[in-house]
Amino acid sequence: GAVVSQHPSWVICKSGTSVKIECRSLDFQATTMFWYRQFPKQSLMLMATSNEGSKATYEQGVEKDKFLINHASLTLSTLTVTSAHPEDSSFYICSAKGGASGSYEQYFGPGTRLTVT
Amino acid sequence: SQQGEEDPQALSIQEGENATMNCSYKTSINNLQWYRQNSGRGLVHLILIRSNEREKHSGRLRVTLDTSKKSSSLLITASRAADTASYFCATDATGTASKLTFGTGTRLQVTL
Repeated sequence: GAVVSQHPSWVICKSGTSVKIECRSLDFQATTMFWYRQFPKQSLMLMATSNEGSKATYEQGVEKDKFLINHASLTLSTLTVTSAHPEDSSFYICSAKGGASGSYEQYFGPGTRLTVT
Repeated sequence: SQQGEEDPQALSIQEGENATMNCSYKTSINNLQWYRQNSGRGLVHLILIRSNEREKHSGRLRVTLDTSKKSSSLLITASRAADTASYFCATDATGTASKLTFGTGTRLQVTL
């Protein structure tokens, strides 16, 4: 089956620093990757959609200068949280979608827990 | 907010009983999907039902979809302690290039 990995699985950083989270599709080419954020005991909220080779599309209310997304290849997308603050502490989950026309399924990574102190 | 609503928010049952979760959404959809999430973990895809389908089965799971009421239900039969998790519905709305909108989730606790 399709596997998506995320690295790191958890990270603790100090306020004001930047953190990069990687999302990789291990056995398929992902034309589209999605980034979600999930606060404790809440649902997933879509942050942005990234297509390989083009700029990410951010959801309303998500600061594109704070959450930098790069989808440089068909197997890798990165999310960089710049100048992190404690309110950015959350569980970040990516998903990847293959290129087959009409293929609806997204494959989710295991998530990255970010704690900003 | 376009987020779907799920009910109940929390459900506690005994092993062997059936669990039913409901999901309501707001827009026209291509499909609706159900996911499971164990505490602090990623999501596991359970089942996808297309907008032109009304019912689908997968093992102990049964999903129904009523597009006229914009609602879906997930039934887990003969529940097990290992089914303890949060369950989310997610809709793939038409014209959104496969963006998923997740429901608020149901926390299921199955006790021995």
